[in-house]
Amino acid sequence: QKEVEQDPGPLSVPEGAIVSLNCTYSNSAFQYFMWYRQYSRKGPELLMYTYSSGNKEDGRFTAQVDKSSKYISLFIRDSQPSDSATYLCAMSAETGGFKTIFGAGTRLFVKA
Amino acid sequence: GAGVSQSPSNKVTEKGKDVELRCDPISGHTALYWYRQSLGQGLEFLIYFQGNSAPDKSGLPSDRFSAERTGGSVSTLTIQRTQQEDSAVYLCASSLGTGPYEQYFGPGTRLTVT
Repeated sequence: QKEVEQDPGPLSVPEGAIVSLNCTYSNSAFQYFMWYRQYSRKGPELLMYTYSSGNKEDGRFTAQVDKSSKYISLFIRDSQPSDSATYLCAMSAETGGFKTIFGAGTRLFVKA
Repeated sequence: GAGVSQSPSNKVTEKGKDVELRCDPISGHTALYWYRQSLGQGLEFLIYFQGNSAPDKSGLPSDRFSAERTGGSVSTLTIQRTQQEDSAVYLCASSLGTGPYEQYFGPGTRLTVT
Protein backbone atom coordinates (compact mmCIF):
# COMPACT_ATOMS: atom_id res chain seq x y z
CA GLN A 1 0.00 0.00 0.00
CA LYS A 2 1.30 3.43 -0.94
CA GLU A 3 1.70 6.06 1.77
CA VAL A 4 -0.45 8.45 -0.24
CA GLU A 5 -3.30 7.29 -2.46
CA GLN A 6 -4.83 9.49 -5.14
CA ASP A 7 -7.19 8.54 -7.93
CA PRO A 8 -5.43 9.37 -11.21
CA GLY A 9 -8.72 10.06 -13.02
CA PRO A 10 -9.17 11.51 -15.54
CA LEU A 11 -11.94 13.67 -14.19
CA SER A 12 -13.98 15.61 -16.74
CA VAL A 13 -16.43 18.33 -15.69
CA PRO A 14 -18.33 21.14 -17.42
CA GLU A 15 -17.26 24.74 -16.95
CA GLY A 16 -18.70 26.22 -13.78
CA ALA A 17 -18.90 22.92 -11.90
CA ILE A 18 -17.57 22.37 -8.40
CA VAL A 19 -14.64 19.99 -8.46
CA SER A 20 -13.62 17.78 -5.57
CA LEU A 21 -10.17 16.17 -5.55
CA ASN A 22 -9.13 13.85 -2.76
CA CYS A 23 -6.24 11.94 -1.25
CA THR A 24 -5.95 9.44 1.55
CA TYR A 25 -2.82 8.66 3.48
CA SER A 26 -1.58 6.11 5.97
CA ASN A 27 1.13 7.94 7.95
CA SER A 28 -0.46 9.68 10.92
CA ALA A 29 2.72 11.74 11.43
CA PHE A 30 2.04 13.88 8.37
CA GLN A 31 1.51 17.51 9.43
CA TYR A 32 1.99 19.55 6.29
CA PHE A 33 -0.38 19.11 3.40
CA MET A 34 0.00 20.61 -0.03
CA TRP A 35 -1.67 20.68 -3.38
CA TYR A 36 0.43 21.21 -6.49
CA ARG A 37 -0.93 21.97 -9.94
CA GLN A 38 0.90 20.74 -13.01
CA TYR A 39 0.11 21.89 -16.51
CA SER A 40 1.09 19.73 -19.44
CA ARG A 41 4.83 19.73 -20.15
CA LYS A 42 5.50 21.91 -17.09
CA GLY A 43 6.78 21.30 -13.58
CA PRO A 44 4.35 21.27 -10.64
CA GLU A 45 3.68 24.55 -8.82
CA LEU A 46 2.37 24.98 -5.30
CA LEU A 47 -1.32 25.84 -5.19
CA MET A 48 -2.37 25.41 -1.56
CA TYR A 49 -0.55 24.71 1.71
CA THR A 50 -2.17 23.66 4.98
CA TYR A 51 -0.71 22.84 8.36
CA SER A 52 -2.50 20.18 10.44
CA SER A 53 -6.29 19.91 10.30
CA GLY A 54 -8.82 22.41 9.10
CA ASN A 55 -9.79 24.41 6.07
CA LYS A 56 -7.98 27.00 4.03
CA GLU A 57 -9.54 29.11 1.33
CA ASP A 58 -7.86 31.04 -1.47
CA GLY A 59 -10.16 32.50 -4.07
CA ARG A 60 -11.98 29.68 -5.83
CA PHE A 61 -9.88 27.04 -4.09
CA THR A 62 -10.50 25.44 -0.69
CA ALA A 63 -8.23 22.86 0.92
CA GLN A 64 -9.54 20.64 3.70
CA VAL A 65 -7.61 18.31 5.98
CA ASP A 66 -9.26 15.68 8.17
CA LYS A 67 -6.45 14.07 10.14
CA SER A 68 -8.80 11.77 12.04
CA SER A 69 -9.80 10.15 8.74
CA LYS A 70 -6.39 10.66 7.07
CA TYR A 71 -8.17 12.36 4.21
CA ILE A 72 -7.50 15.62 2.39
CA SER A 73 -9.52 17.41 -0.24
CA LEU A 74 -9.20 20.25 -2.69
CA PHE A 75 -12.36 21.96 -3.89
CA ILE A 76 -12.47 24.18 -6.95
CA ARG A 77 -15.53 26.40 -7.30
CA ASP A 78 -16.74 27.81 -10.61
CA SER A 79 -14.22 25.69 -12.48
CA GLN A 80 -12.70 27.17 -15.63
CA PRO A 81 -11.08 25.56 -18.68
CA SER A 82 -7.80 27.09 -17.45
CA ASP A 83 -8.07 24.83 -14.38
CA SER A 84 -7.47 21.83 -16.65
CA ALA A 85 -4.28 20.30 -15.29
CA THR A 86 -2.99 17.50 -13.10
CA TYR A 87 -3.41 18.10 -9.37
CA LEU A 88 -0.99 16.38 -7.02
CA CYS A 89 -1.46 16.14 -3.30
CA ALA A 90 1.69 16.10 -1.20
CA MET A 91 2.47 15.81 2.47
CA SER A 92 5.37 15.78 4.87
CA ALA A 93 6.26 15.45 8.52
CA GLU A 94 8.99 16.86 10.73
CA THR A 95 9.71 13.34 11.99
CA GLY A 96 10.47 12.32 8.43
CA GLY A 97 12.84 15.21 7.91
CA PHE A 98 10.13 17.00 5.95
CA LYS A 99 10.55 14.52 3.10
CA THR A 100 7.64 15.23 0.78
CA ILE A 101 5.53 12.33 -0.40
CA PHE A 102 3.44 12.97 -3.50
CA GLY A 103 0.25 11.35 -4.69
CA ALA A 104 -0.02 10.05 -8.24
CA GLY A 105 -1.93 13.14 -9.37
CA THR A 106 -5.48 13.50 -10.72
CA ARG A 107 -5.90 14.71 -14.29
CA LEU A 108 -8.73 17.25 -14.51
CA PHE A 109 -10.41 18.43 -17.70
CA VAL A 110 -12.84 21.36 -17.54
CA LYS A 111 -14.91 21.56 -20.71
CA ALA A 112 -16.06 24.94 -22.02
CA GLY B 1 13.98 36.27 -10.66
CA ALA B 2 14.91 33.21 -12.64
CA GLY B 3 13.28 29.94 -11.72
CA VAL B 4 14.70 26.44 -11.74
CA SER B 5 16.07 25.49 -15.13
CA GLN B 6 16.80 22.05 -16.52
CA SER B 7 18.60 20.85 -19.59
CA PRO B 8 18.11 19.27 -21.97
CA SER B 9 14.33 19.55 -22.19
CA ASN B 10 14.19 16.33 -24.21
CA LYS B 11 16.68 13.51 -24.55
CA VAL B 12 16.41 10.43 -26.73
CA THR B 13 19.09 7.85 -26.19
CA GLU B 14 19.79 4.26 -27.11
CA LYS B 15 19.61 1.51 -24.55
CA GLY B 16 22.95 1.04 -22.87
CA LYS B 17 24.18 4.61 -23.31
CA ASP B 18 24.92 6.97 -20.42
CA VAL B 19 23.02 10.24 -20.02
CA GLU B 20 23.55 13.38 -17.93
CA LEU B 21 20.72 15.64 -16.89
CA ARG B 22 21.42 19.11 -15.53
CA CYS B 23 19.58 21.27 -12.99
CA ASP B 24 20.19 24.92 -12.13
CA PRO B 25 18.34 25.76 -8.91
CA ILE B 26 17.09 29.14 -7.77
CA SER B 27 19.93 31.23 -6.41
CA GLY B 28 20.09 31.04 -2.62
CA HIS B 29 18.15 27.80 -2.34
CA THR B 30 20.15 25.34 -0.30
CA ALA B 31 17.97 22.29 -0.86
CA LEU B 32 17.77 20.49 -4.21
CA TYR B 33 15.65 17.47 -5.12
CA TRP B 34 15.46 15.10 -8.05
CA TYR B 35 12.24 13.25 -8.86
CA ARG B 36 11.13 10.90 -11.59
CA GLN B 37 7.63 11.10 -13.00
CA SER B 38 6.17 8.26 -14.99
CA LEU B 39 2.64 8.17 -16.41
CA GLY B 40 0.17 7.62 -13.61
CA GLN B 41 2.90 7.12 -11.01
CA GLY B 42 3.19 10.53 -9.45
CA LEU B 43 6.53 11.91 -8.37
CA GLU B 44 9.07 9.32 -7.31
CA PHE B 45 11.74 10.76 -5.01
CA LEU B 46 15.28 10.03 -6.18
CA ILE B 47 17.81 12.11 -4.23
CA TYR B 48 18.01 15.19 -1.99
CA PHE B 49 20.88 17.61 -1.36
CA GLN B 50 20.90 20.04 1.56
CA GLY B 51 23.80 22.43 1.89
CA ASN B 52 27.05 20.65 2.64
CA SER B 53 25.39 17.64 4.25
CA ALA B 54 25.66 14.17 2.78
CA PRO B 55 22.88 13.68 0.23
CA ASP B 56 19.87 11.48 0.90
CA LYS B 57 20.20 8.87 -1.84
CA SER B 58 17.51 6.58 -0.51
CA GLY B 59 15.30 6.94 -3.59
CA LEU B 60 17.83 6.02 -6.25
CA PRO B 61 16.43 2.87 -7.92
CA SER B 62 19.76 1.23 -8.75
CA ASP B 63 23.50 1.85 -8.74
CA ARG B 64 23.21 2.98 -12.36
CA PHE B 65 21.85 6.25 -11.00
CA SER B 66 24.06 8.86 -9.38
CA ALA B 67 23.95 12.59 -8.78
CA GLU B 68 26.25 15.32 -7.66
CA ARG B 69 25.90 18.92 -6.74
CA THR B 70 28.89 21.15 -7.32
CA GLY B 71 29.51 24.27 -5.27
CA GLY B 72 26.14 23.98 -3.63
CA SER B 73 24.44 25.06 -6.83
CA VAL B 74 24.22 23.16 -10.13
CA SER B 75 23.35 19.47 -9.96
CA THR B 76 23.84 16.68 -12.48
CA LEU B 77 21.90 13.41 -12.48
CA THR B 78 23.71 10.65 -14.34
CA ILE B 79 22.14 7.43 -15.53
CA GLN B 80 24.57 4.81 -16.73
CA ARG B 81 23.74 1.97 -19.13
CA THR B 82 20.22 3.27 -19.66
CA GLN B 83 17.32 0.84 -19.84
CA GLN B 84 13.91 1.30 -21.43
CA GLU B 85 12.30 1.42 -18.00
CA ASP B 86 14.33 4.58 -17.31
CA SER B 87 12.11 6.46 -19.78
CA ALA B 88 10.31 9.14 -17.79
CA VAL B 89 10.29 12.84 -17.02
CA TYR B 90 13.02 13.79 -14.58
CA LEU B 91 12.13 16.80 -12.46
CA CYS B 92 14.40 18.92 -10.34
CA ALA B 93 13.18 21.17 -7.53
CA SER B 94 14.81 23.54 -5.10
CA SER B 95 13.73 25.11 -1.83
CA LEU B 96 15.03 27.46 0.85
CA GLY B 97 16.18 24.61 3.04
CA THR B 98 15.12 21.74 5.22
CA GLY B 99 11.64 22.33 6.47
CA PRO B 100 8.12 22.68 5.21
CA TYR B 101 9.18 25.04 2.47
CA GLU B 102 7.68 25.28 -0.97
CA GLN B 103 9.53 23.33 -3.60
CA TYR B 104 10.03 25.16 -6.88
CA PHE B 105 10.15 22.83 -9.83
CA GLY B 106 11.90 23.07 -13.15
CA PRO B 107 10.14 22.09 -16.38
CA GLY B 108 11.72 18.66 -16.41
CA THR B 109 13.77 16.59 -18.83
CA ARG B 110 11.81 14.07 -20.87
CA LEU B 111 14.03 11.02 -21.31
CA THR B 112 13.22 8.39 -23.90
CA VAL B 113 15.34 5.25 -24.09
CA THR B 114 14.94 3.37 -27.36
